[in-house]
Amino acid sequence: SQQGEEDPQALSIQEGENATMNCSYKTSINNLQWYRQNSGRGLVHLILIRSNEREKHSGRLRVTLDTSKKSSSLLITASRAADTASYFCATDRMDSSYKLIFGSGTRLLVRP
Amino acid sequence: ETGVTQTPRHLVMGMTNKKSLKCEQHLGHNAMYWYKQSAKKPLELMFVYSLEERVENNSVPSRFSPECPNSSHLFLHLHTLQPEDSALYLCASSQDFQSIRAQYFGPGTRLTVT
Repeated sequence: SQQGEEDPQALSIQEGENATMNCSYKTSINNLQWYRQNSGRGLVHLILIRSNEREKHSGRLRVTLDTSKKSSSLLITASRAADTASYFCATDRMDSSYKLIFGSGTRLLVRP
Repeated sequence: ETGVTQTPRHLVMGMTNKKSLKCEQHLGHNAMYWYKQSAKKPLELMFVYSLEERVENNSVPSRFSPECPNSSHLFLHLHTLQPEDSALYLCASSQDFQSIRAQYFGPGTRLTVT
């Protein structure tokens, strides 16, 4: 069953602007991860946030997690054309942390 | 992407063919995964191996047969596939499957069943 759901499905912004993507999920989790996928390629792990963490940073990426609302957001600051990709959130289950369940993704287009 | 490699990158096969997908990880990980990514659908977990032992078979039809001869290699044997099996098949690995870890993906095999 689908766990993570990203919003919006597609996002188009100008280079230099910030991009915010949201993820909602249904059941309790141990961790939530964000991945990036360039067209037709493999996924690249961006950041992992555990259920007892509220915010995490990695370079131009900022992830927040609100377990009370069962939601997470990914912020990419000062976007670049190279950030054009699909972004997926993935959640695990309390009883099986290896079983990642992916959402449908947000397609981000950064216009030069 | 060089940490996990997959071959072939593209594969076209008829419904009566038998073919195999290969995955190799160079990261010293103990867990390996097969995922299926179809158009317009979320990524689906198919199989999980830990130290060459299968720990998960996510209700995958028997026309897909995984094999893990050692912790670095994973195969997916395909036979009598259906056109709806056309998809991007992704292999991934992680340090182990019991703790919370990132998964590292290969570039995928684009499979077309005619």
